[in-house]
Amino acid sequence: EAGVVQSPRYKIIEKKQPVAFWCNPISGHNTLYWYRQNLGQGPELLIRYENEEAVDDSQLPKDRFSAERLKGVDSTLKIQPAELGDSAVYLCASSPGTSGYNEQFFGPGTRLTVL
Amino acid sequence: DQQVKQNSPSLSVQEGRISILNCDYTNSMFDYFLWYKKYPAEGPTFLISISSIKDKNEDGRFTVFLNKSAKHLSLHIVPSQPGDSAVYFCAASGLTGANNLFFGTGTRLTVIP
Repeated sequence: EAGVVQSPRYKIIEKKQPVAFWCNPISGHNTLYWYRQNLGQGPELLIRYENEEAVDDSQLPKDRFSAERLKGVDSTLKIQPAELGDSAVYLCASSPGTSGYNEQFFGPGTRLTVL
Repeated sequence: DQQVKQNSPSLSVQEGRISILNCDYTNSMFDYFLWYKKYPAEGPTFLISISSIKDKNEDGRFTVFLNKSAKHLSLHIVPSQPGDSAVYFCAASGLTGANNLFFGTGTRLTVIP
């Protein structure tokens, strides 16, 4: 079974430029998460989707970040415009559902460097 | 405010010995705890978990202990192997969080052959 797929793996951009990350979760997983991991820190949740609905986006900086999960499968996370402080690894994770506790499966992440 | 804390950024252990990684949490609403392992350039992978109704869970060489009164959990790896060298993250979740995970800052384990 294929794991969570993310692309690109690495992205280098100049500040004020837009950037987008793509995630394909494990087939059949209804819940999708985007995390940001700063250097030396643990992952921090940005947004959680249940199917195509964003059910928790309280930590998403909405002035510059946006996300979508059309048809409840793939998801994209966008930053526009990027700032120096956005340099981090952006992780996507998925889990089967919301009943009880479900293990989250992580993708390899996209390492963003903003110059 | 960091709700899950791993106060040891790094740990070195000889191969064959026991590795003990520690984690503390502050939110009493957390009732499910997980350990993830992360290799460079890869995403975290699930290792072992424990529910608050238990105080110990074992899976092969890995055992997690939970002390609810102290809001403390630990991961024991015995015997440690060089392939265990990685960053280990403690994570916690609660019913109100609907499976949202709160991660610690990680502990880098190095197992010396």
